[in-house]
Amino acid sequence: AQSVTQPDIHITVSEGASLELRCNYSYGATPYLFWYVQSPGQGLQLLLKYFSGDTLVQGIKGFEAEFKRSQSSFNLRKPSVHWSDAAEYFCAVAMYSSASKIIFGSGTRLSIRP
Amino acid sequence: EAGVTQFPSHSVIEKGQTVTLRCDPISGHDNLYWYRRVMGKEIKFLLHFVKESKQDESGMPNNRFLAERTGGTYSTLKVQPAELEDSGVYFCASSELGGSSYNEQFFGPGTRLTVL
Repeated sequence: AQSVTQPDIHITVSEGASLELRCNYSYGATPYLFWYVQSPGQGLQLLLKYFSGDTLVQGIKGFEAEFKRSQSSFNLRKPSVHWSDAAEYFCAVAMYSSASKIIFGSGTRLSIRP
Repeated sequence: EAGVTQFPSHSVIEKGQTVTLRCDPISGHDNLYWYRRVMGKEIKFLLHFVKESKQDESGMPNNRFLAERTGGTYSTLKVQPAELEDSGVYFCASSELGGSSYNEQFFGPGTRLTVL
């Protein structure tokens, strides 16, 4: 069965420090890969997505993610976090189709230390 | 352009009562999805409409949940009777129809349902 694993439930980093959120997926083939963010009181916002091509993808708000096929991973990174990055982050996959359900990980809550 | 809207934002009901959640997709989006997140767990797919037809309802937990999309515009999700384990956040998403590449799903802010 398809699944997405985010091993870190809660991470705290200092403002200005670098960030890496881990994500591993289990799927029959390389799926579409996504990272979403949910800030308090807000809906889910797409940060970035990977479909094919360059395995390092750039997203909004200075985030990037790297797809590693050999490790079935799609880790999210940011060189320097800001207090406004405090939110919950979800890694997700979808099968190759123009309209497909999304399978989410359980989320990683990010706190920022002043 | 307005995004996906959901109503209400919060609902608190007692076990055994009925609740109806509403989702208005982005205008022109024929794909409409419902997801939910129960406390501390992952966001799970419930069902997918293409226009007014149910394309995939494999995620619906049981027959206490009824989703409709009459006319292919807004959708409602009714829970009757509600149980404690139905508490969580219900998200709606919509996307365009067609094409050969993936159509991004745009999510609403969610409805937080609390069953006491």
